[in-house]
Amino acid sequence: DVKVTQSSRYLVKRTGEKVFLECVQDMDHENMFWYRQDPGLGLRLIYFSYDVKMKEKGDIPEGYSVSREKKERFSLILESASTNQTSMYLCASSLFYTEAFFGQGTRLTVV
Amino acid sequence: AQSVTQLDSQVPVFEEAPVELRCNYSSSVSVYLFWYVQYPNQGLQLLLKYLSGSTLVKGINGFEAEFNKSQTSFHLRKPSVHISDTAEYFCAVSDPRYGQFYFGTGTSLTVIP
Repeated sequence: DVKVTQSSRYLVKRTGEKVFLECVQDMDHENMFWYRQDPGLGLRLIYFSYDVKMKEKGDIPEGYSVSREKKERFSLILESASTNQTSMYLCASSLFYTEAFFGQGTRLTVV
Repeated sequence: AQSVTQLDSQVPVFEEAPVELRCNYSSSVSVYLFWYVQYPNQGLQLLLKYLSGSTLVKGINGFEAEFNKSQTSFHLRKPSVHISDTAEYFCAVSDPRYGQFYFGTGTSLTVIP
């Protein structure tokens, strides 16, 4: 089975901190994604990577950056956390367009 | 870009009753269609997908969906729901040109005993 692992289930950070969310997949998938999930808004794409060191902005990239130095790992970075970034963050990977596999999610609270 | 509309944000239904969760999409190209389920504080799990072939797709836990190209719909159905089906359901499309996935805003299904 494909496994997508997010490093933390719950995080609490202070405003202004630099925050790293890590995601690792074990199926050699080309594509990896970071989504943000908020009630009533569904999943919104933050960033998308289709290869090592390649990235594309999604719908809401402001305040975020990403890093993909190795194929299996995709990191989301909040350069200076703000309270409006309190949310559930979901990482996913896929082999092209046929199915996305999700991690368990990281619930981030910024205080 | 593609877009997905889930017409009902909340659907309450009695146990053992049938349910339909509606999904419409807009696209200028052929897309691939998915339904995912999310239980509280968990990630998304695939229920079923349409890539090609028969327009009636069967998935896990007794769910099925029908792809209707003329109406650009992909509604999810189950003939008899169980308490354990209480969850959030997301419809999604993928764009084969870029490999991106687009999600609806979700439908919260609550099964009432």
